[in-house]
Amino acid sequence: SQKIEQNSEALNIQEGKTATLTCNYTNYSPAYLQWYRQDPGRGPVFLLLIRENEKEKRKERLKVTFDTTLKQSLFHITASQPADSATYLCALDPSSSGGYNKLIFGAGTRLAVHP
Amino acid sequence: GAGVSQSPRYKVAKRGQDVALRCDPISGHVSLFWYQQALGQGPEFLTYFQNEAQLDKSGLPSDRFFAERPEGSVSTLKIQRTQQEDSAVYLCASSPRTGALTYNEQFFGPGTRLTVL
Repeated sequence: SQKIEQNSEALNIQEGKTATLTCNYTNYSPAYLQWYRQDPGRGPVFLLLIRENEKEKRKERLKVTFDTTLKQSLFHITASQPADSATYLCALDPSSSGGYNKLIFGAGTRLAVHP
Repeated sequence: GAGVSQSPRYKVAKRGQDVALRCDPISGHVSLFWYQQALGQGPEFLTYFQNEAQLDKSGLPSDRFFAERPEGSVSTLKIQRTQQEDSAVYLCASSPRTGALTYNEQFFGPGTRLTVL
């Protein structure tokens, strides 16, 4: 069956450290993958998009990698801050959506950054 | 407004009642999506509109769920004869364009939390 897996347990790290979140998928061949942040009581907010022909993408303290052979994306937050505490969702287009970017989401990983 | 808005933010319904959830997308956005998010889970796709046309309703759980976007802007998700399993957060998202290789980000509203008693 097709699925997207993210670390189900919360990730607790110390302020200033690098947080690494994992997204694995099976039975998809996505053209791209997106990462979103979701705070309690709010909708997801887009962070980064990485295409299948890109190995790595950076934006400020964020870095995403995409390994289509391993079917895995890693999401890194360097120099983490308590304000980075949130749930992070990975999402992909199953490439059967006819070009309208329908997204399939993982369950998300909750990150807690402690002072 | 600057973002996607949804109303009401919270809705409590008795089992068997009909509910209507509203989404105001970002002005000019062609694509509109509805998602259902259960507690502790990621959003699950329900339906997609390109302007006023509903192109994909494959995620709607049953024929009790109905969505419309008659003028290509505001959308309404209607749930008839609500059941307890319908309790969830309903998210609306819009994006500016459509088409292969555009890879648009989606802009989400805050969601409507529906509780069916």
